[in-house]
Amino acid sequence: DAKTTQPTSMDCAEGRAANLPCNHSTISGNEYVYWYRQIHSQGPQYIIHGLKNNETNEMASLIITEDRKSSTLILPHATLRDTAVYYCIVAPLDSSYKLIFGSGTRLLVRP
Amino acid sequence: DAGVIQSPRHEVTEMGQEVTLRCKPISGHDYLFWYRQTMMRGLELLIYFNNNVPIDDSGMPEDRFSAKMPNASFSTLKIQPSEPRDSAVYFCASSLQSTEAFFGQGTRLTVV
Repeated sequence: DAKTTQPTSMDCAEGRAANLPCNHSTISGNEYVYWYRQIHSQGPQYIIHGLKNNETNEMASLIITEDRKSSTLILPHATLRDTAVYYCIVAPLDSSYKLIFGSGTRLLVRP
Repeated sequence: DAGVIQSPRHEVTEMGQEVTLRCKPISGHDYLFWYRQTMMRGLELLIYFNNNVPIDDSGMPEDRFSAKMPNASFSTLKIQPSEPRDSAVYFCASSLQSTEAFFGQGTRLTVV
């Protein structure tokens, strides 16, 4: 079973920031937080991952709370092409690594 | 690199027939995953390999399903015999040392 809880759906206006929350209150010390998204009819796409520090790349920023029980994915300037299902996943970075996808958040970016 | 390559992209078969799905991971990657996606169950991890060795096949639904990775550049997922409830999109993914996983475009399987 997925170890994360996400809202079923969200929407935001094009050009605005999209903030997608994720709860992972049972995360273990060796587990990372990964974010993936799936655009319709495509395979999932990696976005970002982190352990405890905030992370940023060309796609998004990841903010992890100090107690690591929750995180927020931020798309700073959402575009229509960001409409997708976003998955938050926790997984260890060792030989037991495997990605278990929950139901994710369906993000709709409005024109 | 062309990314993870899956074949065929679409497969329609009759119930009872054998189906083989193929995957070519990204060169140099040491993890390979097989997923199944349906509307009802979402994305399910079926099995994953590390350095060609199956690590966890607890997601394989039944003995009708089998997966192999004979070498680092090729994997198959076989369903024999196929049933209508096996209809789904099957994704293969690969990753290097537990970092980001790259997914293929998927194989849409329809069993009639």
